[in-house]
Amino acid sequence: KNEVEQSPQNLTAQEGEFITINCSYSVGISALHWLQQHPGGGIVSLFMLSSGKKKHGRLIATINIQEKHSSLHITASHPRDSAVYICAVRSGTDKLIFGTGTRLQVFP
Amino acid sequence: NAGVTQTPKFRILKIGQSMTLQCTQDMNHNYMYWYRQDPGMGLKLIYYSVGAGITDKGEVPNGYNVSRSTTEDFPLRLELAAPSQTSVYFCASSYSGGVTEAFFGQGTRLTVV
Repeated sequence: KNEVEQSPQNLTAQEGEFITINCSYSVGISALHWLQQHPGGGIVSLFMLSSGKKKHGRLIATINIQEKHSSLHITASHPRDSAVYICAVRSGTDKLIFGTGTRLQVFP
Repeated sequence: NAGVTQTPKFRILKIGQSMTLQCTQDMNHNYMYWYRQDPGMGLKLIYYSVGAGITDKGEVPNGYNVSRSTTEDFPLRLELAAPSQTSVYFCASSYSGGVTEAFFGQGTRLTVV
């Protein structure tokens, strides 16, 4: 079993829909990261969380430390949100452990 | 601010050839990392460094070498390339471990034939 599990693996949506991507982890962490990877490959950091909730534009990330679970929400989804969303946790002080990613496609 | 810069973006190698993937960052970050990304898998850590002169192995170090002679640069060396090293490679950096943001390069797509 992977230490970081994401669900779903693939997600399709119509433009305007509310989207949720989930991340569960089984190790102690100091921080959790949500990353975005567009076709063409570059990885961009969206959020870094150690507790609570963060919001940036239409993106909201939450984390429940007790339940070892985080969610990434996208409100009013748009085709430009189509990408792979990756959850990663920092366990110990040095290393990031990555989930396998959720591939999101938003259709007009 | 350039952030993390990787070169080259694409490369095709023949089996047995060697090459160096370059990574440089201009944010004065202490921590630097090399990951590989294979289809359907999460990024796997190859090597990392917590400061100039210090390197350590990650999960999948076999077939690779690194050096960290300066804070800015963290090159990854492939000796005797094998088809199993066909992958997308990402360099990343952060100021420290713990609760600090990670910054990624654009990736290098390597094919070994």
